[in-house]
Amino acid sequence: DQQVKQNSPSLSVQEGRISILNCDYTNSMFDYFLWYKKYPAEGPTFLISISSIKDKNEDGRFTVFLNKSAKHLSLHIVPSQPGDSAVYFCAASVTIGSGTYKYIFGTGTRLKVLA
Amino acid sequence: DGGITQSPKYLFRKEGQNVTLSCEQNLNHDAMYWYRQDPGQGLRLIYYSQIVNDFQKGDIAEGYSVSREKKESFPLTVTSAQKNPTAFYLCASSIRREPPYTGELFFGEGSRLTVL
Repeated sequence: DQQVKQNSPSLSVQEGRISILNCDYTNSMFDYFLWYKKYPAEGPTFLISISSIKDKNEDGRFTVFLNKSAKHLSLHIVPSQPGDSAVYFCAASVTIGSGTYKYIFGTGTRLKVLA
Repeated sequence: DGGITQSPKYLFRKEGQNVTLSCEQNLNHDAMYWYRQDPGQGLRLIYYSQIVNDFQKGDIAEGYSVSREKKESFPLTVTSAQKNPTAFYLCASSIRREPPYTGELFFGEGSRLTVL
């Protein structure tokens, strides 16, 4: 049962344009949603997160939008740069007990920004 | 600098051997996690621990074992019972949920295990 889904395995975007990465989830109990960037053979790097009580969070070139009714979130990168080329993971956290949290990850989307 | 240290970065193992991957953090985080990454499957949770001397199975715990004797350390043993152990293993930690909280999970650099 894949609770966090990234249905696009890859995405190519021209430098300077907007990159939009999408993520769908099934569990309405998720309380935080996060986006990570990952290069091969390295640990993921945190980009941005959003609480389930908000619908938008912005940090520089990165904006995350949350649509709770559709159980959908998206990451917008504007403008896209060649250095943004990496695999992007969507993740969600859920409280499963007092002070106990579990993080579920999607399968990732490979972004390629073309110069 | 504070962070999570995983060792070794690369490890080769013969079939039938157990191997232990080290994970140490100096961030004073309470919670620690182990994930496995396979191509096309994202990150899957193996084990997690919220406090010392306590840990829970994740989604793919079979063939793995952990211990949490110290807050800073959360080693993962890949046993001979794990049918497909070749993968990239990631250790992570997270802070208490006190403001300002971002939900961030902090990751180490990973360990690649190859079974020959």
